[in-house]
Amino acid sequence: DAGITQSPRYKITETGRQVTLMCHQTWSHSYMFWYRQDLGHGLRLIYYSAAADITDKGEVPDGYVVSRSKTENFPLTLESATRSQTSVYFCASSEYRGDTQYFGPGTRLTVL
Amino acid sequence: AQKVTQAQTEISVVEKEDVTLDCVYETRDTTYYLFWYKQPPSGELVFLIRRNSFDEQNEISGRYSWNFQKSTSSFNFTITASQVVDSAVYFCALSEPGGSYIPTFGRGTSLIVHP
Repeated sequence: DAGITQSPRYKITETGRQVTLMCHQTWSHSYMFWYRQDLGHGLRLIYYSAAADITDKGEVPDGYVVSRSKTENFPLTLESATRSQTSVYFCASSEYRGDTQYFGPGTRLTVL
Repeated sequence: AQKVTQAQTEISVVEKEDVTLDCVYETRDTTYYLFWYKQPPSGELVFLIRRNSFDEQNEISGRYSWNFQKSTSSFNFTITASQVVDSAVYFCALSEPGGSYIPTFGRGTSLIVHP
């Protein structure tokens, strides 16, 4: 299906484990983004990517790692999950800078 | 300081009332973009509108309308004759050269429409 997808949709993990959240888009958009959404904070940018092999930090990058070897994929890894990383994670893409962002359905992550 | 301020945390209205969601932004750039997104209870983020700084015309789409005023740095969103299905969290966002055009979001306004 065309669009932007995220997997898994729900994930429960334990403190200290590594977790990877996947994001895939079929539009060949240049830009991709990872946000976390927490009550009272709105959407906060974790990392973004302007193209394959180009990534940059956002507002809250600590504890997260990203890669972008292919234009269509932008995985987000929590190398050692902490309870404070319990959140809803959204991936988004846009064709160019300043363009409309289109969001994936989100991944609800719980770290016990 | 927040670049995008949505001062209304929560608004509660009764169906058929008109409601305005406020968005005030801060930028030193002359070229920028403003957005509104809707997040219904199901959780997905839905794009509503994108407006560039050179287009100050108000926009109307069905029951939705947007009032862009550069003089007050505001981009307000009005829902006319609200319906229960309008219940959602609404986010305003700003994309500007000073921020590498990476959108900055407000904290959102939760709209509850009672039947």
